Amino acid sequence: EAGVTQSPTHLIKTRGQQVTLRCSPISGHTSVYWYQQALGLGLQFLLWYDEGEERNRGNFPPRFSGLQFPNYSSELNVNALELEDSALYLCASSLGSGTEETQYFGPGTRLLVL
Amino acid sequence: GNSVTQMEGPVTLSEEAFLTINCTYTATGYPSLFWYVQYPGEGLQLLLKATKADDKGSNKGFEATYRKETTSFHLEKGSVQVSDSAVYFCALSDNNAGNMLTFGGGTRLMVKP
Repeated sequence: EAGVTQSPTHLIKTRGQQVTLRCSPISGHTSVYWYQQALGLGLQFLLWYDEGEERNRGNFPPRFSGLQFPNYSSELNVNALELEDSALYLCASSLGSGTEETQYFGPGTRLLVL
Repeated sequence: GNSVTQMEGPVTLSEEAFLTINCTYTATGYPSLFWYVQYPGEGLQLLLKATKADDKGSNKGFEATYRKETTSFHLEKGSVQVSDSAVYFCALSDNNAGNMLTFGGGTRLMVKP
């Protein structure tokens, strides 16, 4: 069974540009989560989508947004990129929406903002 | 709010040594607790989890027990291998915090032959 997949694997952008990251969950999983792993800041929760709806949002500015499609895949959009957005962006999926559910992570997209 | 505190690394051990990585948490609800491992250049992999007090999670020789009285979830392994070298993250998920995982800062483990 395929795991969580993310694309692209690496991305280089310049300040002020916009970027879209993509995630395909494990087949049958309806919840998708996005996390940012920035150097020195650890892993921080960005967004949670379940059944096409945004269910929770972390402490990030509105220029971080996303959506979930009917097939449960998801996009993360970041507008007006800033240098501090350079990070590894991890997507995770879970079978259900309970807190006991395991979140399975993809390999991540590494974004560098110059 | 929720928080997870784990011992800072790096932790350097010789092969076959005993490993303990401490993890304590604060949570407003009834959290589930997780240990994830991140190998170099890779994403996170679930190592083990426990969903209620006194549960013991175990996998690949690693184990951790959910201690509500001490709000702890320490990771242990009796005999580490070089292949266990990675960064280990303790995390919690809380029904009062909208399913987000709250992570500790990570502990880098280096095992020498």
